[in-house]
Amino acid sequence: AQSVTQLGSHVSVSEGALVLLRCNYSSSVPPYLFWYVQYPNQGLQLLLKYTTGATLVKGINGFEAEFKKSETSFHLTKPSAHMSDAAEYFCAVSIGGYQKVTFGTGTKLQVIP
Amino acid sequence: EPEVTQTPSHQVTQMGQEVILRCVPISNHLYFYWYRQILGQKVEFLVSFYNNEISEKSEIFDDQFSVERPDGSNFTLKIRSTKLEDSAMYFCASRATPNTGELFFGEGSRLTVL
Repeated sequence: AQSVTQLGSHVSVSEGALVLLRCNYSSSVPPYLFWYVQYPNQGLQLLLKYTTGATLVKGINGFEAEFKKSETSFHLTKPSAHMSDAAEYFCAVSIGGYQKVTFGTGTKLQVIP
Repeated sequence: EPEVTQTPSHQVTQMGQEVILRCVPISNHLYFYWYRQILGQKVEFLVSFYNNEISEKSEIFDDQFSVERPDGSNFTLKIRSTKLEDSAMYFCASRATPNTGELFFGEGSRLTVL
């Protein structure tokens, strides 16, 4: 069975500061890993994904994440937070391309002007 | 850009009533899913569907729930007799092939059971 753990249900950063949202996964086989963003009253939008290959993946809106097998982590970063980044972020894992995607509990990002 | 569409966006129903939530997945996608998100909580897997049958379902997906792909475009979730605890946002998602990995989500259908 696969699972993800997101550390911190709420994270606050100042505008222009580094964003770091933490995600650790558990999987018995090489995982597919995802970050999704959810704006208020909207659906889930894919930010980025890791399936195979390069461990540093870049996504939309300047976000990136690095797959670290030794640490079972897939933390999301952005060098400089923007007010529009305020949203809820979900880390997710799938153990195969056709298997269900399992979501973490989410991290709400607040950006302080 | 192709997208997953869901209707209705919001439905209010009385406890015990049947509800059907509708989804039109992206046209060339083969794998379909329903998830739900109770207000303020995590996104939970309900069911996956491939080749006209359920491929996996969660413990939440009990006998009150059913899914159907009645034609080549729609994918529906039926709740036979709604309970208060079914109040949630229901998301439909689709996936093209196993190798692409990611799910594409609709905007959700908010179900309120009174």
